[in-house]
Amino acid sequence: QKEVEQNSGPLSVPEGAIASLNCTYSDRGSQSFFWYRQYSGKSPELIMSIYSNGDKEDGRFTAQLNKASQYVSLLIRDSQPSDSATYLCAVNRSGGYNKLIFGAGTRLAVHP
Amino acid sequence: DAGVIQSPRHEVTEMGQEVTLRCKPISGHNSLFWYRQTMMRGLELLIYFNNNVPIDDSGMPEDRFSAKMPNASFSTLKIQPSEPRDSAVYFCASTRTGASEAFFGQGTRLTVV
Repeated sequence: QKEVEQNSGPLSVPEGAIASLNCTYSDRGSQSFFWYRQYSGKSPELIMSIYSNGDKEDGRFTAQLNKASQYVSLLIRDSQPSDSATYLCAVNRSGGYNKLIFGAGTRLAVHP
Repeated sequence: DAGVIQSPRHEVTEMGQEVTLRCKPISGHNSLFWYRQTMMRGLELLIYFNNNVPIDDSGMPEDRFSAKMPNASFSTLKIQPSEPRDSAVYFCASTRTGASEAFFGQGTRLTVV
């Protein structure tokens, strides 16, 4: 079992729709969770972080965390073609030091 | 703040040659990560340092790979000898203790022919 799992996609949504991206993780002691966006040929950039159960909203983005189910999700409202990218879920494993483990990423395509 | 700086941006080398990738973390960040990204395997953590000390190198694929961090502002990842299967984009990232958000450099695209 991979430590962080994501559906590779592609996830195709029409412009203006809600895109829903999902991630599961195996280390129950994980404490911090992140969503990164990576455009083709570019480096990953942080878009959301979440540390406690529930929802966290930032503009059009909402991150959701359920530690009991070991599940993290990212919702993108009013999707735009510029949101087309690969979205990487990252988990900071427990153990005292920062150790960021990434999922393989989900490719999102928003079509006009 | 200049962000995480990696060099070179692109490297093409012949099989068997030594390759050295360089990284300057963000000033004040004391955790540094080296990742490798390929289409097949995604973003793999190779090694990470805390306060210049290697904490976990379990992701380093073989003894051909080595990494150092001689001071807080510089790290290297060396591959000797290089092989075609080492072709990938190598990223360096840094973060502060107590903050888990990592910031990435622009990456080095390595091609071994």
